[in-house]
Amino acid sequence: DGGITQSPKYLFRKEGQNVTLSCEQNLNHDAMYWYRQDPGQGLRLIYYSQIVNDFQKGDIAEGYSVSREKKESFPLTVTSAQKNPTAFYLCASSLGLQDTQYFGPGTRLTVL
Amino acid sequence: AQSVTQLDSHVSVSEGTPVLLRCNYSSSYSPSLFWYVQHPNKGLQLLLKYTSAATLVKGINGFEAEFKKSETSFHLTKPSAHMSDAAEYFCALMDSSYKLIFGSGTRLLVRP
Repeated sequence: DGGITQSPKYLFRKEGQNVTLSCEQNLNHDAMYWYRQDPGQGLRLIYYSQIVNDFQKGDIAEGYSVSREKKESFPLTVTSAQKNPTAFYLCASSLGLQDTQYFGPGTRLTVL
Repeated sequence: AQSVTQLDSHVSVSEGTPVLLRCNYSSSYSPSLFWYVQHPNKGLQLLLKYTSAATLVKGINGFEAEFKKSETSFHLTKPSAHMSDAAEYFCALMDSSYKLIFGSGTRLLVRP
């Protein structure tokens, strides 16, 4: 069954804690992305990776970090420096940067 | 700078009546354009995409969209709404750096 998986579906974090969101794909896509979605707003790009061992900041990278050690995996760490981390986080992948992006089911992060 | 404007934050239709979700874009070139659908607490699913081939694009679930360069529009339509169409719909443009720029979304309500 091919696709993009994100875990966990729901995540709760105390203020001051770092937390890592998982994103895995078995589509053999080179490019992967992380977006943040807030109510009433469109998606905003946090980080993206064109290829293994390479990633670039998106529009709202402050307070986030990523790694891309494997083609299939692109984890996102929400650090304590992120001022307002409560949001719905979506991972996406595409064959290449210029190709259609396909999305995972999302992780809802709530900071208590 | 490129941008996407979804003209209605909410649209309400009766089941069996036509659907029109409006999207205008701003771009200095003819961009790739996308419509995605998001059901509550789910990821985004691609409905259709325009990539400078035919201006009338057919997608899944009976949706279609027409690219009108003179009006810088890419409106989404469906002849007959179904209850299962109730969701949030996002229009997106791929910019010159191959990043997706999203509109703020239109929530479609379908009345029985």
